[in-house]
Amino acid sequence: DQQVKQNSPSLSVQEGRISILNCDYTNSMFDYFLWYKKYPAEGPTFLISISSIKDKNEDGRFTVFLNKSAKHLSLHIVPSQPGDSAVYFCAASGIIQGAQKLVFGQGTRLTINP
Amino acid sequence: ETGVTQTPRHLVMGMTNKKSLKCEQHLGHNAMYWYKQSAKKPLELMFVYNFKEQTENNSVPSRFSPECPNSSHLFLHLHTLQPEDSALYLCASSRVRTGGTLNTGELFFGEGSRLTVL
Repeated sequence: DQQVKQNSPSLSVQEGRISILNCDYTNSMFDYFLWYKKYPAEGPTFLISISSIKDKNEDGRFTVFLNKSAKHLSLHIVPSQPGDSAVYFCAASGIIQGAQKLVFGQGTRLTINP
Repeated sequence: ETGVTQTPRHLVMGMTNKKSLKCEQHLGHNAMYWYKQSAKKPLELMFVYNFKEQTENNSVPSRFSPECPNSSHLFLHLHTLQPEDSALYLCASSRVRTGGTLNTGELFFGEGSRLTVL
């Protein structure tokens, strides 16, 4: 049972345009959501997060939106730059069955075309 | 440079070998983790150590044996692995609130150890 899903394994966007990466979760006990970015041969690095009490968090070119009723979050990157090409992991955090859990999605490979 | 260092970066081993992966964090964190990343799969949590005590073992086969001698070092001992264990093994660390409850969940990852089992 996959609690965090990123249904698009890959996404290709033109430089300068908006990139939108999507993530769905199933467990309403998750109360914090994070996006990680991963380059080849490197570990994931934290990008941006959002608490469940908010519906939007912005940091420069990156904005994360949370729709709790739909159990859906998205990461918007605008404008997209070639250096944004990477794999993006969505993660959800919460107390599940008495223990803190951090569950990752499968990742979406974003390619920004010049 | 994330403050989490993993060695070796690449490891090739036979099914009968015994080897170890090492992780060291320089961030003053008190929780450390092993994750496994296989192709086209989510990151899979293997082990969690809070304040040097193992608090989670996600049904990991006994051929993987973790060791956490102190809050800055974490090992993953490998023996009699199978070819399907070939993957990228990622170490991570975080700061845990007193009482063992994780904070927001932000993890700092190492660069990973790419393991190939022949």
